[in-house]
Amino acid sequence: SAVISQKPSRDICQRGTSLTIQCQVDSQVTMMFWYRQQPGQSLTLIATANQGSEATYESGFVIDKFPISRPNLTFSTLTVSNMSPEDSSIYLCSVEPGGLGEAFFGQGTRLTVV
Amino acid sequence: AQSVTQLGSHVSVSEGALVLLRCNYSSSVPPYLFWYVQYPNQGLQLLLKYTSAATLVKGINGFEAEFKKSETSFHLTKPSAHMSDAAEYFCAVGRNFGNEKLTFGTGTRLTIIP
Repeated sequence: SAVISQKPSRDICQRGTSLTIQCQVDSQVTMMFWYRQQPGQSLTLIATANQGSEATYESGFVIDKFPISRPNLTFSTLTVSNMSPEDSSIYLCSVEPGGLGEAFFGQGTRLTVV
Repeated sequence: AQSVTQLGSHVSVSEGALVLLRCNYSSSVPPYLFWYVQYPNQGLQLLLKYTSAATLVKGINGFEAEFKKSETSFHLTKPSAHMSDAAEYFCAVGRNFGNEKLTFGTGTRLTIIP
């Protein structure tokens, strides 16, 4: 298992600004995953972050908009850049220490852009 | 590509009644299947998983699911609903043989009627 601490838990931001979300895991993991959950919708994978290499982004997501850092095996950040109201969502980080899709999630960051 | 379909975005049951949440999957290889629960303002938590062992899988909080290959289904059930079961439930198909990403269904919001 894994315990994930994610912060901030929520924020209200002005359009055009950026927000960095932090995710700390209580054990070392190879990959960390960042998801977006738009209001009333399911989870969409934004990117996979590997320590020591650039993140791998899913279709529709780009590094300039969602830069990710992964400085070590227990920590990652996701930045939502130049925000617009359409970025209002819940952002979740996740790890799969045992592989094969059994995931553990942070409590999420509820972002509102005004 | 893998996918899951959850029938019914909202399900309401009376306290003490049977809970049945439907999930059908599509996968070209034997799938790993999961049910996750999301309580308000929290991240997702694993309820149970199917990884090609027993077809009837028991999870936490009295939930269980049965893998039926002939019907490509993995429905979630609980014999007697409790008020604390009110949450959003997500079916997901996981990585198996390769680099398929964890793919979530659109979710079912379960409401318990007192």
